[in-house]
Amino acid sequence: EPEVTQTPSHQVTQMGQEVILRCVPISNHLYFYWYRQILGQKVEFLVSFYNNEISEKSEIFDDQFSVERPDGSNFTLKIRSTKLEDSAMYFCAGSGQGAAGEKLFFGSGTQLSVL
Amino acid sequence: AQSVTQPDIHITVSEGASLELRCNYSYGATPYLFWYVQSPGQGLQLLLKYFSGDTLVQGIKGFEAEFKRSQSSFNLRKPSVHWSDAAEYFCAVAKTGANNLFFGTGTRLTVIP
Repeated sequence: EPEVTQTPSHQVTQMGQEVILRCVPISNHLYFYWYRQILGQKVEFLVSFYNNEISEKSEIFDDQFSVERPDGSNFTLKIRSTKLEDSAMYFCAGSGQGAAGEKLFFGSGTQLSVL
Repeated sequence: AQSVTQPDIHITVSEGASLELRCNYSYGATPYLFWYVQSPGQGLQLLLKYFSGDTLVQGIKGFEAEFKRSQSSFNLRKPSVHWSDAAEYFCAVAKTGANNLFFGTGTRLTVIP
């Protein structure tokens, strides 16, 4: 089965630093998502992305966050100035059609630790 | 707003025993409902989903779930658990036609010999 690839698997950064989390979605997918899971809490939706623009975002996804698909293959999540509370597992996901009925393929996640 | 509750944080069962993981949702209309599994170091894998029709849905790995509107529940079941089923299980809900999922906090399943 095709896979969504996320790198790095674990990233450690200092508070206030910028981080970029990278994802390589499945090649024929059109809709892309970022979710995060703070330790011991729910998996939370951050943002969805289609046709090179954000289609939906949650209240978590504030001005410190941005997403882009710079080269048609990678899908990145940037946090401009990390805070301690940004420490979480970040999951990238993709789907072919985007409706909730479509199967989401998740990556194995990037564990972000902000010190 | 929609939400999902998984009342059991951790469940331990013996291999070969039956399993039921509970999930309750809150949503005004009929939601889309999902169960995902996460094995250590892996991403979330879809086990099964419910949109409409037959309220008992079959999924992969021998899992099934039953949608009960009167109880706002979508419990996951398996008649005989295998050691490889040890993982974290997440129930999720989506609004009709929406692109994003709302997850529960997950239930960790431990399987003992």
